[in-house]
Amino acid sequence: KAGVTQTPRYLIKTRGQQVTLSCSPISGHRSVSWYQQTPGQGLQFLFEYFSETQRNKGNFPGRFSGRQFSNSRSEMNVSTLELGDSALYLCASSRDTYNEQFFGPGTRLTVL
Amino acid sequence: AQRVTQPEKLLSVFKGAPVELKCNYSYSGSPELFWYVQYSRQRLQLLLRHISRESIKGFTADLNKGETSFHLKKPFAQEEDSAMYYCALNPLPNAGGTSYGKLTFGQGTILTVHP
Repeated sequence: KAGVTQTPRYLIKTRGQQVTLSCSPISGHRSVSWYQQTPGQGLQFLFEYFSETQRNKGNFPGRFSGRQFSNSRSEMNVSTLELGDSALYLCASSRDTYNEQFFGPGTRLTVL
Repeated sequence: AQRVTQPEKLLSVFKGAPVELKCNYSYSGSPELFWYVQYSRQRLQLLLRHISRESIKGFTADLNKGETSFHLKKPFAQEEDSAMYYCALNPLPNAGGTSYGKLTFGQGTILTVHP
């Protein structure tokens, strides 16, 4: 079956702009988690959605938000971009909360 | 709060040598531990999880609750094992809301197996 897909794969934005990233989970998976990966901080948890509800959130400012649709597809939005937001953003889906997480290829965001 | 520590950023071994990637964790409750691997230009993928107690690609890992460790071992390394390895922790279900969907990762260890 098809894996987790993320669009776009690469994105270049300037400071102050906003960005929306998309994640399509594996069919039948209801939980979607988002992570930020940077060389300095490594992989950090952003938030998790299940059945269109955010159930868990990491320590990120309110500029980072997300949502999940009825088909389990998820989007994350970052407003008022800062240089430090440059990172690889990964999404992962799982059948349920405590099953294996399957990762997408990531979206590489560069903020200039 | 939970934390995962991988003390070695880089690890180099020769083909056929044993390899051990270290992982230590801190968490007050009962955790589930994972090893994820990322090969060059590929996505992050699960290598093994402690509750399944499987051996994948010759790798094994045992959860040592006394030492709070989950080291990854392979008796004979192969060149195709060269990759980035991440240890990760998820609190078990009875931890409630703060555990939903959240994996806490270590900083990762780059393993290079030389011919």
